[in-house]
Amino acid sequence: GDSVTQMEGPVTLSEEACLTINCTYTATGYPSLFWYVQYPGEGLQLLLKATKADDKGSNKGFEATYRKETTSFHLEKGSVQVSDSAVYFCALSDLTQGGSEKLVFGKGTKLTVNP
Amino acid sequence: EAGVTQFPSHSVIEKGQTVTLRCDPISGHDNLYWYRRVMGKEIKFLLHFVKESKQDESGMPNNRFLAERTGGTYSTLKVQPAELEDSGVYFCASSQLAYNEQFFGPGTRLTVL
Repeated sequence: GDSVTQMEGPVTLSEEACLTINCTYTATGYPSLFWYVQYPGEGLQLLLKATKADDKGSNKGFEATYRKETTSFHLEKGSVQVSDSAVYFCALSDLTQGGSEKLVFGKGTKLTVNP
Repeated sequence: EAGVTQFPSHSVIEKGQTVTLRCDPISGHDNLYWYRRVMGKEIKFLLHFVKESKQDESGMPNNRFLAERTGGTYSTLKVQPAELEDSGVYFCASSQLAYNEQFFGPGTRLTVL
């Protein structure tokens, strides 16, 4: 079945450092790709998404580009803040045999940003 | 507008007991999903409701798990009897029909001792 592989971390950075969290996927179809973020004590929130090749999703200074040729969707931010400390999940949408559009997640990457 | 809510936030039970988790989706969202994250592993799909009907329950691990969504509003997920390997965080998500953005609740952390 479809799967997502992301760097597991944890990742610890200083404020204003550059961030890249790698994500690659395997899929039989043509999925949409997502990054979700989970701040401490909260649920998962959609950070950004891309629905087709070469699309770039962006939000809150984060970016990720849907690369079909390398089956990747790496998350990047040029200058991280303490408030970006969270767990980041890469995911793809997969249509099940029952007709549901379920999400398939990577294991998550915990990011800690120090002042 | 209220987001997806889940109750309880934490539950600690002993092996063999029964636990019922509740999810209230965003009002008007016909799609409701359950996911589970077992310690150290990926968040995995359990099942999907469209209104009150089960669209797909292929991710349910075994028949100790029973999900319902009476009236197409809130949903419950019952584990009976609970086993040690059921420990984890159970997430609920909802979305509008024809939209693939799922909105997640904060999760219920279940610990089976």
